[in-house]
Amino acid sequence: GENVEQHPSTLSVQEGDSAVIKCTYSDSASNYFPWYKQELGKRPQLIIDIRSNVGEKKDQRIAVTLNKTAKHFSLHITETQPEDSAVYFCAATGGNEKLTFGTGTRLTIIP
Amino acid sequence: DAGITQSPRYKITETGRQVTLMCHQTWSHSYMFWYRQDLGHGLRLIYYSAAADITDKGEVPDGYVVSRSKTENFPLTLESATRSQTSVYFCASSEGTGDTGELFFGEGSRLTVL
Repeated sequence: GENVEQHPSTLSVQEGDSAVIKCTYSDSASNYFPWYKQELGKRPQLIIDIRSNVGEKKDQRIAVTLNKTAKHFSLHITETQPEDSAVYFCAATGGNEKLTFGTGTRLTIIP
Repeated sequence: DAGITQSPRYKITETGRQVTLMCHQTWSHSYMFWYRQDLGHGLRLIYYSAAADITDKGEVPDGYVVSRSKTENFPLTLESATRSQTSVYFCASSEGTGDTGELFFGEGSRLTVL
């Protein structure tokens, strides 16, 4: 089955700086890569996703890039704000269409 | 519009007891899922269902039982709870899978097994 690795597990950045979270996947048939954000004590929610026929996607201050050859994808957050503090999960849908999540990155924005 | 709701939100039980976590969605989504969230493991799929009366195992199904007699309900039962099943459990639903499968999560059920 699909295996998704996510790094780093924790990340602290100064407010206004950029944050990058990286994930790798194992199943070359994977074709859909969403990112979920989970604020403290809340449920995970989808923030952005990318399909395998696209290399990059942006939505305001967040962007996701995909490198199919290397089987890795990344989340980029620019001009970070306190409300960006949360746990972020990457995920990949493999050939069996099941969504496999990474282990999460706890992002802390330092005021 | 309640969306997707879980109950109970918090539960403390003892080893060997049976526990059922309830999940109800109002969107008529075809797919429903149960995940457990543990530090260092992220979200791991326990069971999922593609439609009423259709269920399948996920990554960590041992010790759990599910049923889906109605589209809107997807209960998760721990037949004989163990300490290793102490976790936060999230139910989720989606219209489809893959790129049509945005997951909508419930608020979570925190289960402690003593």
